[in-house]
Amino acid sequence: GIQVEQSPPDLILQEGANSTLRCNFSDSVNNLQWFHQNPWGQLINLFYIPSGTKQNGRLSATTVATERYSLLYISSSQTTDSGVYFCAVERMDSSYKLIFGSGTRLLVRP
Amino acid sequence: GAGVSQSPRYKVTKRGQDVTLRCDPISSHATLYWYQQALGQGPEFLTYFNYEAQPDKSGLPSDRFSAERPEGSISTLTIQRTEQRDSAMYRCASSLVPGYNEQFFGPGTRLTVL
Repeated sequence: GIQVEQSPPDLILQEGANSTLRCNFSDSVNNLQWFHQNPWGQLINLFYIPSGTKQNGRLSATTVATERYSLLYISSSQTTDSGVYFCAVERMDSSYKLIFGSGTRLLVRP
Repeated sequence: GAGVSQSPRYKVTKRGQDVTLRCDPISSHATLYWYQQALGQGPEFLTYFNYEAQPDKSGLPSDRFSAERPEGSISTLTIQRTEQRDSAMYRCASSLVPGYNEQFFGPGTRLTVL
């Protein structure tokens, strides 16, 4: 099956710092989503981005489908950005299910 | 509803008991998914529905797990004869149609089997 690898696995930032999270996937995909799982366990949609670039406030994401990777940029990080960031893909075989990576655990210190 | 809702939010049960979890998807969404998330890992697909049809049950771990969506809206996931290894977060998601569409997740049900 398709492999989804996220890096780094863990990241500690000082408030105000910038970071880049990476997601590599091993096969062509229909759908790619980034999620933030907050400390209360809620899984929040950040981006639906099968290709191209999107921005939402301090967050932006880029997916290069032909090279099978996506990047999530966090600028001017805040303590509320702490949590786990998941990348998930839907394989291009009409299976419709999302395959999740193992996540990047982010801690932003004040 | 405005978002995906799930109930109960927390469930503690004893080994061997049956449990039923409920999901109410976004009202305009045809497709509903169930995922299981173990502690420290990403969610893993269990099954999905397109309206009341259930085209894919490939992720259900055993025949103790079943799901239904009889009227194409609310869905239930039932685990019979629960085992400690069933302890996990169970997440429901919905999308407008299957494939090429953003999936939106509910808050999850945290199941603990003692």
